[in-house]
Amino acid sequence: SQQGEEDPQALSIQEGENATMNCSYKTSINNLQWYRQNSGRGLVHLILIRSNEREKHSGRLRVTLDTSKKSSSLLITASRAADTASYFCATTTDYKLSFGAGTTVTVRA
Amino acid sequence: DAGVIQSPRHEVTEMGQEVTLRCKLISGHNSLFWYRQTMMRGLELLIYFNNNVPIDDSGMPEDRFSAKMPNASFSTLKIQPSEPRDSAVYFCAIPGQRSNTGELFFGEGSRLTVL
Repeated sequence: SQQGEEDPQALSIQEGENATMNCSYKTSINNLQWYRQNSGRGLVHLILIRSNEREKHSGRLRVTLDTSKKSSSLLITASRAADTASYFCATTTDYKLSFGAGTTVTVRA
Repeated sequence: DAGVIQSPRHEVTEMGQEVTLRCKLISGHNSLFWYRQTMMRGLELLIYFNNNVPIDDSGMPEDRFSAKMPNASFSTLKIQPSEPRDSAVYFCAIPGQRSNTGELFFGEGSRLTVL
């Protein structure tokens, strides 16, 4: 069963706008990760946030983690057409990585 | 990519046929995961190898599925006999260098269609 659930399922934005997607999970975690998947390709790791961290930045990406609410958010600022992809959160417990259903982001030129 | 090469990239077969999916690790690794992705169930962990030994195969659907990792550079996932519900994209993945964080590097996947 999936540990994380993303919201929204799909998102369509104009180039230059920000995209925000959320992830909720059910059990205690070691860390939470976000991955991107372009159509027909494998998943690519974007960013990891540890359970004792609240916010992390990497380029145009900003991730927050609220362990009390068991939720995380991914913000992509100044979106580009190349950001069109599906984004997945994944929680780590021991060695196991459990993925959510993903948010499909479409960035319109 | 982190040198995770999957083959075939696409496979179309008929129900009842044997399917073998392959994963080659260019630099070798002692841990490997096989995942399956479908629209209905998303990404599911099938099996996890550590030191070439299956540690967790609880995600393997049934006896029709088997996986091996004979050495640090190669793994196979076999389905015999295949069924239409096995249609999915199958990924192998290895941990990153900082393996204690759980970050994974994925191959490009093998898309299986069983008619």
